[in-house]
Amino acid sequence: DAGVIQSPRHEVTEMGQEVTLRCKPISGHNSLFWYRQTMMRGLELLIYFNNNVPIDDSGMPEDRFSAKMPNASFSTLKIQPSEPRDSAVYFCASSLQISGNTIYFGEGSWLTVV
Amino acid sequence: GENVEQHPSTLSVQEGDSAVIKCTYSDSASNYFPWYKQELGKGPQLIIDIRSNVGEKKDQRIAVTLNKTAKHFSLHITETQPEDSAVYFCAARYSSASKIIFGSGTRLSIRP
Repeated sequence: DAGVIQSPRHEVTEMGQEVTLRCKPISGHNSLFWYRQTMMRGLELLIYFNNNVPIDDSGMPEDRFSAKMPNASFSTLKIQPSEPRDSAVYFCASSLQISGNTIYFGEGSWLTVV
Repeated sequence: GENVEQHPSTLSVQEGDSAVIKCTYSDSASNYFPWYKQELGKGPQLIIDIRSNVGEKKDQRIAVTLNKTAKHFSLHITETQPEDSAVYFCAARYSSASKIIFGSGTRLSIRP
């Protein structure tokens, strides 16, 4: 079975540019999570969805960040405009349901903003 | 607030010895505690988990213990091998928000 699929795997962009990260969750999973990983702050939960509806976006750092889930098999995390401090690995994860089931991570999108 | 603390941040053990990583959580209503292993360049992978109705769980060389009264849980790896070298994360699911919060990670190195 295919796991969580993220794209792009690596992106280098200039400050001020728009960045769009994409995620395809595991088929049948109805919860989706976006995490950011940095050396300084570890793994931070940015936002999560249940049945395509955003449940908690309190971890989204600021208005430059937005996330959507138009259907059960696709989600995007957008940064506009990007800044160097946004450089990090962004992970998407999915689970069968919010309440307690295992969450499965993708391989991550490595973002560098210069 | 929601918080998971993890110690130590780095751990080096001789191959064949045991490794122990400890975590504490703040929400007494938390009921699910997974452990993840992250290898370089990859996403975290679940290695074992424990629910609040169980005090201990074991899977081959890996075991987890949970003390609900003290709000702490631990990962034990016995007979460590070179492939155990990785970063390990503990996590807790906060029932009030149904979201999983991660500890800061432990970089485990196995010395040959």
